[in-house]
Amino acid sequence: AQRVTQPEKLLSVFKGAPVELKCNYSYSGSPELFWYVQYSRQRLQLLLRHISRESIKGFTADLNKGETSFHLKKPFAQEEDSAMYYCALTPSGGYQKVTFGIGTKLQVIP
Amino acid sequence: GAVVSQHPSRVICKSGTSVKIECRSLDFQATTMFWYRQFPKQSLMLMATSNEGSKATYEQGVEKDKFLINHASLTLSTLTVTSAHPEDSSFYICSATRQRGGAEAFFGQGTRLTVV
Repeated sequence: AQRVTQPEKLLSVFKGAPVELKCNYSYSGSPELFWYVQYSRQRLQLLLRHISRESIKGFTADLNKGETSFHLKKPFAQEEDSAMYYCALTPSGGYQKVTFGIGTKLQVIP
Repeated sequence: GAVVSQHPSRVICKSGTSVKIECRSLDFQATTMFWYRQFPKQSLMLMATSNEGSKATYEQGVEKDKFLINHASLTLSTLTVTSAHPEDSSFYICSATRQRGGAEAFFGQGTRLTVV
């Protein structure tokens, strides 16, 4: 079974402080991991995926297979980063079922 | 980028009536669409996977006869909540992917259903 765990429902940080949104997963095969973001009054959208290995809006995430983690990080939080962040998993290849974590609300305090 | 449009964005209906929600991929063909339900302050719960031209695959605990899904074309999937009750009130979201295997999911804006 696929499972995604985001242990923090709410994360509050001050502007300029580092951010780390935690995500752990459980999957027996080879997964693809994503971070989706939902800004206020907007739809869910992809932030980044592990296979791209890119930095989007200053955010990065590294897949750690040993720890089965895919934490989202940003060195300096900005107010516009305030949003809901969802970690998601899908099996590589074939069936595309996406499993989402419960989401973490990031609140950046000015 | 790819756009998924959901309609209506809000609907209020009387208990016992049926409501249809449409999900369209506007600029790409979606062989697979997904329907989610989101309760307040909770995560998205996958209800069913909809494949064009075939029956939807429902997740455990989701009533097939209650939530009818039709995926008649590569750009349109519909979710019909039949004989709606107040407990069906929720936020319903669809998403679509362009290709098999780990593709990015594009989301509709969601539909807020209120059953009175």
